[in-house]
Amino acid sequence: QQQVKQSPQSLIVQKGGISIINCAYENTAFDYFPWYQQFPGKGPALLIAIRPDVSEKKEGRFTISFNKSAKQFSLHIMDSQPGDSATYFCAASLSSGTYKYIFGTGTRLKVLA
Amino acid sequence: GAVVSQHPSRVICKSGTSVKIECRSLDFQATTMFWYRQFPKKSLMLMATSNEGSKATYEQGVEKDKFLINHASLTLSTLTVTSAHPEDSSFYICSARDRLTSSSYEQYFGPGTRLTVT
Repeated sequence: QQQVKQSPQSLIVQKGGISIINCAYENTAFDYFPWYQQFPGKGPALLIAIRPDVSEKKEGRFTISFNKSAKQFSLHIMDSQPGDSATYFCAASLSSGTYKYIFGTGTRLKVLA
Repeated sequence: GAVVSQHPSRVICKSGTSVKIECRSLDFQATTMFWYRQFPKKSLMLMATSNEGSKATYEQGVEKDKFLINHASLTLSTLTVTSAHPEDSSFYICSARDRLTSSSYEQYFGPGTRLTVT
């Protein structure tokens, strides 16, 4: 119940295209869903996050779509650029206790120039 | 923005020795710090949650006597890998939550420490 499933494992997109990464969770008590970007040898950096009372959130080229009934959320990267090539992790968190994160398995994105 | 640093960024140690990794919140006070381990091309695995002034809470399967965590101040947490072995080689990442925004979910991540045990 604590797992967050992420797909696809890897993704190749042409420059200017849309990258879509999906995550699904089981625990309906999760109430915060961030997406992180990680470059090789670096720590993860927050891209965008959403709470379950909102179905969509957009920040620049990054959009989270959230489907509470399906217990799924996704990251859309519009106008993908070679500099977006990185590993992306979704996560879920609970407000009770320590606010710890449960991370998805990660998606390696490669944007071709 | 909130900055978290880790020291050292890379460390190589011999099997059987202990190594300490520091995690510091530079411009905020952290009520809670988290320690993660990441194997190559894998996800972040939470090892333990560290609260200032109290004992760390370890995740299932993580040996607390192997991975000693100390959170002595609101800006510093340390992870000591005791009697390190080659299988402890990994990328260790810490994160911190801001004390002033205690209801915020956001964790600020450090740049990670690459540990290699020979």
